[in-house]
Amino acid sequence: EDQVTQSPEALRLQEGESSSLNCSYTVSGLRGLFWYRQDPGKGPEFLFTLYSAGEEKEKERLKATLTKKESFLHITAPKPEDSATYLCAVQAGVGSGGYQKVTFGIGTKLQVIP
Amino acid sequence: KAGVTQTPRYLIKTRGQQVTLSCSPISGHRSVSWYQQTPGQGLQFLFEYFSETQRNKGNFPGRFSGRQFSNSRSEMNVSTLELGDSALYLCASSLRQGAEAFFGQGTRLTVV
Repeated sequence: EDQVTQSPEALRLQEGESSSLNCSYTVSGLRGLFWYRQDPGKGPEFLFTLYSAGEEKEKERLKATLTKKESFLHITAPKPEDSATYLCAVQAGVGSGGYQKVTFGIGTKLQVIP
Repeated sequence: KAGVTQTPRYLIKTRGQQVTLSCSPISGHRSVSWYQQTPGQGLQFLFEYFSETQRNKGNFPGRFSGRQFSNSRSEMNVSTLELGDSALYLCASSLRQGAEAFFGQGTRLTVV
């Protein structure tokens, strides 16, 4: 069964203090790894898609990287507005209908303190 | 470009009742997925529809069902509601299978 584990569950940073969030996965036949940001009471907002090991993508203070077993979301000099829950999801394997399915991690709740 | 629209935003139902939630995807998106989100379990996949056909189904009881119409709009139905069905139900649309998903604001269902 596909598994996606995110760590840490919660992270508290001072404004400007860079850090990384981890997403490790155990799946058969990874087709894509997605990062989302979710604010309280809202639906997840798409950030990045990574398809193959070694791939990197950047957006403002965020940079996502992918290896064969995990992905990292690096946050450089975070600001309070970066506070949110960050979700990782993988598309792999085959679901009940014969098509690939998406599995989400529990998420990392990030709090950036001014 | 309008985003994914879910209605209603909030719903309170009594145990044993049934409920229907609606999702209008982004124009041109043909894939619609439904998720249940609870604090302890995170996002749990319910089902995915593409061109009116259910392509995948998660590990939920048969009380949870869905459908997709020819205009790609989708509905999900939960019958014989239980207290444990209280959750945020999220709908996501994609241009195609495997592409990034765009989520709606969700429907907050409370079962009392």
